[in-house]
Amino acid sequence: GDSVTQMEGPVTLSEEAFLTINCTYTATGYPSLFWYVQYPGEGLQLLLKATKADDKGSNKGFEATYRKETTSFHLEKGSVQVSDSAVYFCALSEGPRRALTFGSGTRLQVQP
Amino acid sequence: NAGVMQNPRHLVRRRGQEARLRCSPVKGHSHVYWYRQLPEEGLKFMVYLQKENIIDESGMPKERFSAEFPKEGPSILRIQQVVRGDSAAYFCASHRPSSGVNTEAFFGQGTRLTVV
Repeated sequence: GDSVTQMEGPVTLSEEAFLTINCTYTATGYPSLFWYVQYPGEGLQLLLKATKADDKGSNKGFEATYRKETTSFHLEKGSVQVSDSAVYFCALSEGPRRALTFGSGTRLQVQP
Repeated sequence: NAGVMQNPRHLVRRRGQEARLRCSPVKGHSHVYWYRQLPEEGLKFMVYLQKENIIDESGMPKERFSAEFPKEGPSILRIQQVVRGDSAAYFCASHRPSSGVNTEAFFGQGTRLTVV
């Protein structure tokens, strides 16, 4: 079945540092890939997505590129802010059911 | 979030009681998913519903759990005879009818169930 593997957290960075959160996936077909962000006590918000190989999703300075050859969708940001502190989930969706399969989440803590 | 409403936000139940969680999707969305998030874990799919139909309940425990999405009113996730292991955050997501490329799912803020 489908699965998503994320790097374990927490990831602790200083403000303005470079961020990478690794995500790899296993799927039977050609999934769409997503990054969701969850702030404390809140639901999930879509951060970015990519629907086919080599697509780059981007939003709020975050980027991720759909790499079919390495089955990866790593999240990057050039300069993190304290307000980026949250839990980040990588997810995929495929087929007519389109339910999301989530990774276990990576907590990011950005210190001033 | 684009208007998925879940209530209550927090629910405390004693072991053996029933828990009813409600989800009103974004207006115009007829597809609803329920997910469960255990502490420090990712979300796990439970059930996928369209109006008056259960499309996929492969993620639902076989006993005590049920879900519905009636023609009128919110989707309901019902947990009977709750146990401590049911304590989790339950999230609802909705998206509009579409074929082809996956469309964005909008999530509610979740219901945090605590069983004491």
